[in-house]
Amino acid sequence: ILNVEQSPQSLHVQEGDSTNFTCSFPSSNFYALHWYRWETAKSPEALFVMTLNGDEKKKGRISATLNTKEGYSYLYIKGSQPEDSATYLCALYSNYQLIWGAGTKLIIKP
Amino acid sequence: GAGVSQSPSNKVTEKGKDVELRCDPISGHTALYWYRQRLGQGLEFLIYFQGNSAPDKSGLPSDRFSAERTGESVSTLTIQRTQQEDSAVYLCASSLTGRVGADGYTFGSGTRLTVV
Repeated sequence: ILNVEQSPQSLHVQEGDSTNFTCSFPSSNFYALHWYRWETAKSPEALFVMTLNGDEKKKGRISATLNTKEGYSYLYIKGSQPEDSATYLCALYSNYQLIWGAGTKLIIKP
Repeated sequence: GAGVSQSPSNKVTEKGKDVELRCDPISGHTALYWYRQRLGQGLEFLIYFQGNSAPDKSGLPSDRFSAERTGESVSTLTIQRTQQEDSAVYLCASSLTGRVGADGYTFGSGTRLTVV
C-alpha cells in the first residue's frame, strides 16, 4: 500500500515570515506529484504538477521542489499573508489515481 | 463549461431515503473522480471514470453507493437508503486525461450532504 506523508500536520506562522513543509512518498515507479491548496469552505485548487527529478516550480510567492530519487517534495511560501491560510495537500500519481497525503494545515497569524 | 459544476450544493435528507448528486465536468476532460470528505477527515476516493472504460469502483464504501457517467459528460452519484455516516461533502473532480498523471485535477465546489 502506497503511503504519502506530510509534515508537519499543522503550522502557525507569523504574517510576513517564510515557511516550508514536506511531502514524502515512495521513490520507486514515480510518475507525478501534485500539490493542492484547500481553503476552508472551498474546494481544492491545483498548485503544481511535478514530473521530473530536480523540478522546481513557482507561482507567485509559492514554490515547490521535487526529489524523486529520495522521495520528497518541499513546498515553500515566501512572506506569508493571511490569504495563504489553508490546508496544503500533496498527492502521488499511481495506477491512474492520486494517493493523497493528509495535508499540512497552515495558519497565518496577523 | 468553465469549471466543474456540482449540484445540489447542499442536501438534507432523512435516513433511509435515496439521494442523487450530479457532477458536470469541464468539457473535453476525459477523467472524472468522486471523493468525499467526512468531518475532520481527508479526501476519500470513491470512484474514477476514464473515457468509455469500465470505471474503477474500488473506493465505493458499500453497495448502497453507485455512480454513472454518460460518455465523457455528466456523472451522477447515487446513495440508496442513506445512513447518518454518509453525511459528508461529496467532491467531484475532472482532469484532461487520467492516464499519465501530468494533468492537475479541477474540483467542483462540492455537495454537502446531511442525513438526519
